[in-house]
Amino acid sequence: AQKVTQAQTEISVVEKEDVTLDCVYETRDTTYYLFWYKQPPSGELVFLIRRNSFDEQNEISGRYSWNFQKSTSSFNFTITASQVVDSAVYFCALSDLEGDSNYQLIWGAGTKLIIKP
Amino acid sequence: DAGVIQSPRHEVTEMGQEVTLRCKPISGHNSLFWYRQTMMRGLELLIYFNNNVPIDDSGMPEDRFSAKMPNASFSTLKIQPSEPRDSAVYFCASTRTGGLAFFGQGTRLTVV
Repeated sequence: AQKVTQAQTEISVVEKEDVTLDCVYETRDTTYYLFWYKQPPSGELVFLIRRNSFDEQNEISGRYSWNFQKSTSSFNFTITASQVVDSAVYFCALSDLEGDSNYQLIWGAGTKLIIKP
Repeated sequence: DAGVIQSPRHEVTEMGQEVTLRCKPISGHNSLFWYRQTMMRGLELLIYFNNNVPIDDSGMPEDRFSAKMPNASFSTLKIQPSEPRDSAVYFCASTRTGGLAFFGQGTRLTVV
């Protein structure tokens, strides 16, 4: 069965600190996608990144970086030099590919990130 | 593109009343998903449609919930009769085959 675990319920750091959000997944699929979404206090879900299971290259986008390691089934997200605007709930998700078409997302419980000024 | 549009943004209703949530997916997307978000259970998939056809409704809590997608540009999620435990944020998302899921801003439902 597919499962996504975000063990950190809440993280609080002071602005400018680096912070890593953990995501561990379980799947029997050999082909799958992993996602991170951000949910700011305003409530909407904002897509951050999608990574397919064949691409283990780490990705950096500005202050955001992602570390995908199939050996440990982890897809961790790091924010460097955090800012107050990064305060949000962050969700990790796994796609459950059904055939060659549509998929549904299996969600982690989310990590609430609080950045204090 | 305007993105996925949900209405209303907020809904407060009395227990027992019928509630209808609406979603307009992104044009060209062929799949639509309804999610419910609560503090206790996080994000749960309720139902999804592919080319307007319901594919998996196993997440629908009970018979009080129903969803329709009469055409490619519109879907509804109906709760009848509503109960206080239905209070949650309901998200609609759309995607094209193999693509990214884009979410609406959600409908915050409060049943009193």
